Amino acid sequence: AQKVTQAQTEISVVEKEDVTLDCVYETRDTTYYLFWYKQPPSGELVFLIRRNSFDEQNEISGRYSWNFQKSTSSFNFTITASQVVDSAVYFCALSEDNSGGSNYKLTFGKGTLLTVNP
Amino acid sequence: EAQVTQNPRYLITVTGKKLTVTCSQNMNHEYMSWYRQDPGLGLRQIYYSMNVEVTDKGDVPEGYKVSRKEKRNFPLILESPSPNQTSLYFCASSRVSVSLYQETQYFGPGTRLLVL
Repeated sequence: AQKVTQAQTEISVVEKEDVTLDCVYETRDTTYYLFWYKQPPSGELVFLIRRNSFDEQNEISGRYSWNFQKSTSSFNFTITASQVVDSAVYFCALSEDNSGGSNYKLTFGKGTLLTVNP
Repeated sequence: EAQVTQNPRYLITVTGKKLTVTCSQNMNHEYMSWYRQDPGLGLRQIYYSMNVEVTDKGDVPEGYKVSRKEKRNFPLILESPSPNQTSLYFCASSRVSVSLYQETQYFGPGTRLLVL
């Protein structure tokens, strides 16, 4: 069974600090997909990134970067020079091989509430 | 504009009064799904559909029904709502890819349901 653990329930930082959100996953599949979603106070879910299990390259998008390490089953998310607008709940999610309907299911972590203070 | 829409966005109802939450997408996606979000539990899948007339249970299907008569619509039906179904509900859709490349799931804005 697949599982996603976000051990940090809440993180509070001051603006311009760097912050890393941890995500550890469990899966028996060799083909799987990892996602990060942002949920701002308004409540919608905003897609941030998708990574498949065959691509361990790290990714950078502006102030956001992701570190995927299969050896430790982790897919951590770093925000550089955080801003107040980054305040949100961030979810890491996992889905397994896309060979069947149930494998499109996203298993979410419980989320990390990030508060960026001015 | 590509989007997933849900209606209503907010609903207060009473125990036992049947209700339907609609979900519609304009991206011609085959896959659609319903999730519920509860504090401390994250998001959990209720039902999903791989295409028209093809639906299946997710992790928490009890008390819910769905139908998929058209590709764009995937309503969530609560035949006899109970207070433990008070939650934030999200509909999602995605293309179904035949390759190893899985498409991104797009979420609707959410429906906040309170069952008294």
